[in-house]
Amino acid sequence: GAVVSQHPSRVICKSGTSVKIECRSLDFQATTMFWYRQFPKKSLMLMATSNEGSKATYEQGVEKDKFLINHASLTLSTLTVTSAHPEDSSFYICSAKPPGLAGGTQYFGPGTRLLVL
Amino acid sequence: ILNVEQSPQSLHVQEGDSTNFTCSFPSSNFYALHWYRWETAKSPEALFVMTLNGDEKKKGRISATLNTKEGYSYLYIKGSQPEDSATYLCAHHNFGNEKLTFGTGTRLTIIP
Repeated sequence: GAVVSQHPSRVICKSGTSVKIECRSLDFQATTMFWYRQFPKKSLMLMATSNEGSKATYEQGVEKDKFLINHASLTLSTLTVTSAHPEDSSFYICSAKPPGLAGGTQYFGPGTRLLVL
Repeated sequence: ILNVEQSPQSLHVQEGDSTNFTCSFPSSNFYALHWYRWETAKSPEALFVMTLNGDEKKKGRISATLNTKEGYSYLYIKGSQPEDSATYLCAHHNFGNEKLTFGTGTRLTIIP
């Protein structure tokens, strides 16, 4: 149980285009989902917290107009990288938390490798 | 700024040997400490969530301890097997929110 999928696993796009990444909880409902970014040899850095039916909460330094997050249902959150540039190339990974006890486990997707040319 | 440190960064261990590595974190405002196991091209797999000082958790050959007063956790692997090769991440969960702050991980390679 507690499986999270992420799609696509890898994407290459041209500079200036937008890219959408989907995160789905397959066997549980997730009121809260999280989006992380990882630079080479660095730790996972939280970008934003996404709550179903409300606006995402962005971490300091993360541009909300650049990284659009939508959490339209209890099993799906999307991250759209708008007008992507080479510096947006990175590894993006989502996690989902079942409702219940605070501090509980976050279940992760396998991540998306984005390369912007 | 929360700093979660993991050491060593990487480790090579002979199959059958036991090993351990460390996660250190700020002890103030502590709520929980999470350990994950991350194999290449897969999703990070939750191993343990630890909350109480002195906590010890075990899952098969893997166990973890927690010291919240001094701000560290150890992960132990007994009798390493090739399938234990992975990056082991720890994450600090601050009191009052749902955010996890991750360390950079310990990359473990088991040599057959």
